[in-house]
Amino acid sequence: QVQLQQWGAGLLKPSETLSLTCAVYGGSFSGYYWSWIRQPPGKGLDWIGEINHGGSTNYNPSLKSRVTISVDTSKNQFSLKLNSVTAADTAVYYCARGHTTARYMDVWGKGTTVTVSS
Amino acid sequence: SYELTQPPSVSVSPGQTASITCSGDNLGDKYSCWYQQKPGQSPVLVIYQETKRPSGIPERFSGSTSGNTATLTISGTQPMDEADYYCQAWDSSTVVFGGGTKLTVL
Repeated sequence: QVQLQQWGAGLLKPSETLSLTCAVYGGSFSGYYWSWIRQPPGKGLDWIGEINHGGSTNYNPSLKSRVTISVDTSKNQFSLKLNSVTAADTAVYYCARGHTTARYMDVWGKGTTVTVSS
Repeated sequence: SYELTQPPSVSVSPGQTASITCSGDNLGDKYSCWYQQKPGQSPVLVIYQETKRPSGIPERFSGSTSGNTATLTISGTQPMDEADYYCQAWDSSTVVFGGGTKLTVL
């Protein structure tokens, strides 16, 4: 059974870079798109972007200028970097496995709470 | 940019049928899906490709699409179904979520 384990810094200051990693265990890394999604407190889901095992990426246009998603196929891991964070980036960040057809996401990580505060 | 519109809240009595709608341009062409999220938990896929249920999802959950509107139907709603529900579609190389619907079972 596929599991996603994610980790990264939970407290940042404004202007710093958010960095999270998600490891894939128990299943194939190829053939899927691997996404990052965030959820601000009390709000809905916000897609950040995705990557496949070949390194092809797609990003949310509203975040594209600040986001980089990368992949390490040797470790079955993918990572998120979001630079110049502000309080508006405070959220729970999830990683998830997406299927090629219509990108439905059937496996999710447990989420990482990231707080941006001075 | 593409948008999906959901009602903020839906209420249903236990044992009755709940319907949650999701509207977007040409949504019927986009193989939408649905997630359930309970407080403090990660989202769970309950319907994909408009009508399919993942393994482990109860049969009372079903999906349909007509024109620009996708509908998640929960038959015989149980108190455990109280949660937030999100629709999702894929458009122009972008994943789009609806704003979410809070389902209250009372």
